[in-house]
Amino acid sequence: QQQVKQSPQSLIVQKGGISIINCAYENTAFDYFPWYQQFPGKGPALLIAIRPDVSEKKEGRFTISFNKSAKQFSLHIMDSQPGDSATYFCAASTLKQGAQKLVFGQGTRLTINP
Amino acid sequence: GAVVSQHPSWVICKSGTSVKIECRSLDFQATTMFWYRQFPKQSLMLMATSNEGSKATYEQGVEKDKFLINHASLTLSTLTVTSAHPEDSSFYICSARQYRGQQYFGPGTRLTVT
Repeated sequence: QQQVKQSPQSLIVQKGGISIINCAYENTAFDYFPWYQQFPGKGPALLIAIRPDVSEKKEGRFTISFNKSAKQFSLHIMDSQPGDSATYFCAASTLKQGAQKLVFGQGTRLTINP
Repeated sequence: GAVVSQHPSWVICKSGTSVKIECRSLDFQATTMFWYRQFPKQSLMLMATSNEGSKATYEQGVEKDKFLINHASLTLSTLTVTSAHPEDSSFYICSARQYRGQQYFGPGTRLTVT
């Protein structure tokens, strides 16, 4: 019940296209859903995060869509660029727990072709 | 933004020796620090959570006598891999969090045990 399932495992998108990565969770106690971007040999960096009281959050070219009833959330990258090529991880946490332990998805390796 | 550093960025050690990895929050006080392990092309797996001045809480399956964690100050946590073996070779990533704030990740430490 602590798992977060992420798909697809890998994704190739043409420059200028829309990249979509999906995640699903089981634990209804989760109330914080961040997305991280990781480049090879580097630590993950927070891209965007959402709380379950909203259905969508947009920051620049990055949008999170959240479906509470389906227990799913997704990352959309608009106008994808070669510099977006990286591994993306979704995660979930319960903010009520003081430590905020993050449960990560399996990761999606995104390649943007020029 | 908040910066978390790790030292060293990579280390090679011989089997049977111990190696210490440092994690520092450079511009904020971290009440909680986390240690993760990441194998190639895999997700981040939480190893342990540490709060300043108290003993670390280890995840199930993580040997606390092998992976010693010390969080002696609000800006420094250390992970010591004792009696390292080749199977301990991995990418170790720390993160730091202010009270009820988001987690900021370090750049990671590549450990190779020969």
